[in-house]
This record gives sequence, structure tokens and C-alpha cells, in this order.
Amino acid sequence: NAGVTQTPKFQVLKTGQSMTLQCAQDMNHNSMYWYRQDPGMGLRLIYYSASEGTTDKGEVPNGYNVSRLNKREFSLRLESAAPSQTSVYFCAAGGGPGSSPLHFGNGTRLTVT
Amino acid sequence: QKEVEQNSGPLSVPEGAIASLNCTYSDRGSQSFFWYRQYSGKSPELIMFIYSNGDKEDGRFTAQLNKASQYVSLLIRDSQPSDSATYLCAVNQAGTALIFGKGTTLSVSS
Repeated sequence: NAGVTQTPKFQVLKTGQSMTLQCAQDMNHNSMYWYRQDPGMGLRLIYYSASEGTTDKGEVPNGYNVSRLNKREFSLRLESAAPSQTSVYFCAAGGGPGSSPLHFGNGTRLTVT
Repeated sequence: QKEVEQNSGPLSVPEGAIASLNCTYSDRGSQSFFWYRQYSGKSPELIMFIYSNGDKEDGRFTAQLNKASQYVSLLIRDSQPSDSATYLCAVNQAGTALIFGKGTTLSVSS
């Protein structure tokens, strides 16, 4: 059982480039989340999907878009990367907002130069 | 804005001692409370969760919840150097995503 799988693990982008971070879970959870983690800032929610077909903004959604492709997959897209988006990105899956713990992927370390 | 506050530390304890990690939250309607451990360069991993007032024990770990004081804590008994990590407190209400504190760094010296 892989749990929550994120790709890629590392990525370097130039300002203005675009990319999509992929996340897939084999835990059959309804809800999926994208967080970013910066030094001294903790984990901040970017977007989440409570169930297939729905997405909602979190605390820091600007500059990002998401797609809940199916129950297993939830992708995060940066249309025009900025240095402020340099961060570690974590995808997580859980039974539903407020109902169960989250299980995290291994993270994507993104650097925007 | 809903907030979860933790002392950033570092909290330093000798091996074998009890480590006490604390967390306060602003939203009185919060219903679920979680503690995650995160080693440097790794992803957060769940240690414990608690939903009701009182204590919940799991091995060397005890989570304590006091909803009236909006306070949740994690006690680690017989601390080991392998417990050295950042501990994240997370809180949510039904229907909302988890809100995380910034974490407390624990250092256990041998």
C-alpha cells in the first residue's frame, strides 16, 4: 500500500514557468488537500477537495489552481511561478473534513528562481 | 481568523524525562484535535488524535484536551533521542479542513 504518492519530489522552475504537482492516493479517502510549508510559517492550506467533483480555497490560494481528476487524484497547478512560491508542498488525504486524521505524501520541494 | 498557537521552542529535555508540548486554539467550536510529528526533511506523521475532554493514552504518549480552556497538550514519557522532532498541533471543526500550528521543536539529549 503506497498511501499518498506525490510527484515530483524536487523541482526547480524559473519565474513565469508553469508546472503541475501530482498527487494520488490508494486509501479510498473522500477528501484530499494541498498544503505548503515554509520555515517559521507552519503548514498552510492552499486548496482542498472534500469529495470528488468539489474544490475549495484554503488560506493561501492565490497563484494556484487545482483539479480533482477522480477520487484518487488531486493535482496542483502553478500557472506562472513566482519566487514567493518556493516552498515544500504536501498533499494529504483523509476521510472527510473534520472527521478523520490526514495522511500525508512525502512532499515536493519546489524552488523558483 | 481561526488560529492554533504553539510555542516554537526549542524545548530541550534530557533522555528519560517527560516532555510537555502545549497548544491553544481560538475557535471554540473546534471538535477534532490532532498531534503530528515531523522529522527534518520528512512529511508529518500522525501520533494521536483526541475528540473528547480528558486524557487519551497510547504507549508513551498522552494527549490531554480541555475544551473550556481551549487547550490541548501532548505528554511524552521516558523521552528518547529518537523523539527529537517538530510536533504539530492541528485542529478543525466538522466540515472544515485542518488548521495547523507552527509546531514546537523538541530536542531530547542523551
